[in-house]
Amino acid sequence: GQQLNQSPQSMFIQEGEDVSMNCTSSSIFNTWLWYKQDPGEGPVLLIALYKAGELTSNGRLTAQFGITRKDSFLNISASIPSDVGIYFCAGQPYNTDKLIFGTGTRLQVFP
Amino acid sequence: EAQVTQNPRYLITVTGKKLTVTCSQNMNHEYMSWYRQDPGLGLRQIYYSMNVEVTDKGDVPEGYKVSRKEKRNFPLILESPSPNQTSLYFCASVRGHVAFFGQGTRLTVV
Repeated sequence: GQQLNQSPQSMFIQEGEDVSMNCTSSSIFNTWLWYKQDPGEGPVLLIALYKAGELTSNGRLTAQFGITRKDSFLNISASIPSDVGIYFCAGQPYNTDKLIFGTGTRLQVFP
Repeated sequence: EAQVTQNPRYLITVTGKKLTVTCSQNMNHEYMSWYRQDPGLGLRQIYYSMNVEVTDKGDVPEGYKVSRKEKRNFPLILESPSPNQTSLYFCASVRGHVAFFGQGTRLTVV
């Protein structure tokens, strides 16, 4: 089945550093979403993107919907320990009802 | 409070013993979905439902069944569980393109 390729798979960074992760697809997507999963919990929505080229911020988080509609990135600035978790991209492929998720990026932040 | 409730949170069972994982949402959403999460594979869609009595296969439907007799409930049924169905399962209720997840069910099949 279709799946989104997310990179990197894991990141180990120091508190205060900036983080960047991205998500790519072989097909066009109508919507890109970024979720965060804390340990032992279900994923929670961080940012939703609806138009090609759209750049949206939510506090220290910034995400962009790629102009080709086949990719998206998420940046986290000045990371803090509570940023630890797994980050998933997700999207709805063109002309389908499915909601597809990426393979996830596991983020570890050290003090 | 808007929520998606899954039960049980943890389950250990034996191969071949039928089980059901329940999912209920109180947001009156039409779209509900089941995912399984495995290391390195992210969240893979098992089944989804666009409305009552309407269900469709996701990317990994083999070995699973679902039903949608009423809008709020979307149970996941494993008729004859096998060890390769050991996983973390999430139910989601979807509004527009945004999914609201339950807390997950960790299933172990021995």
